Amino acid sequence: QQQVRQSPQSLTVWEGETAILNCSYEDSTFDYFPWYHQFPGESPALLIAIRPVSNKKEDGRFTIFFNKREKKFSLHIADSQPGDSATYFCAASEIAYKVIFGKGTHLHVLP
Amino acid sequence: AQTIHQWPVAEIKAVGSPLSLGCTIKGKSSPNLYWYWQATGGTLQQLFYSITVGQVESVVQLNLSASRPKDDQFILSTEKLLLSHSGFYLCAWSLDGAGNTLYFGEGSRLIVV
Repeated sequence: QQQVRQSPQSLTVWEGETAILNCSYEDSTFDYFPWYHQFPGESPALLIAIRPVSNKKEDGRFTIFFNKREKKFSLHIADSQPGDSATYFCAASEIAYKVIFGKGTHLHVLP
Repeated sequence: AQTIHQWPVAEIKAVGSPLSLGCTIKGKSSPNLYWYWQATGGTLQQLFYSITVGQVESVVQLNLSASRPKDDQFILSTEKLLLSHSGFYLCAWSLDGAGNTLYFGEGSRLIVV
């Protein structure tokens, strides 16, 4: 079964630090790699996404680094804020409308 | 602007009872529609997807069924609930294919007792 592996399960950083969340995948047919965040009691929402043609995507404090050869991608949250505390899911999509999510990283940013 | 609405917001149901959850999308014609399930504190498991009216594809078998009776409506149902059906059910839509953003509804929280 195709999988997307995500680590760590839980991450605590101090305000101002950079949080790094990691994911890896197995299937080379995946061609779209989004990150979603989910606040308690709410639905997931897209944060940032990347396609394999690029190895880096930035949006403000959020950056995806993508390594196609090693089948890994990571989310870096610079200058972390307490408001960034949430669960972050990486995902990968393939053809036929299937989107596979990682198990999530619970991020806690301490003031 | 596109809006997605799910109903009911929450339900408490008995084991063995039937269930029907609904989802309506406004402002977008012929969207791709999805049902996801999330256990408390868990990941998002894709259940079904639909590209067009009347066509639904199952991704995982959980004794649930889905239907798309209208272009803007997606229904998730079962005739007999199990305890394992408890969780957060999310409807989502996307513009075209799997390589685009999923826009989730507010979700329906189900507790089976």
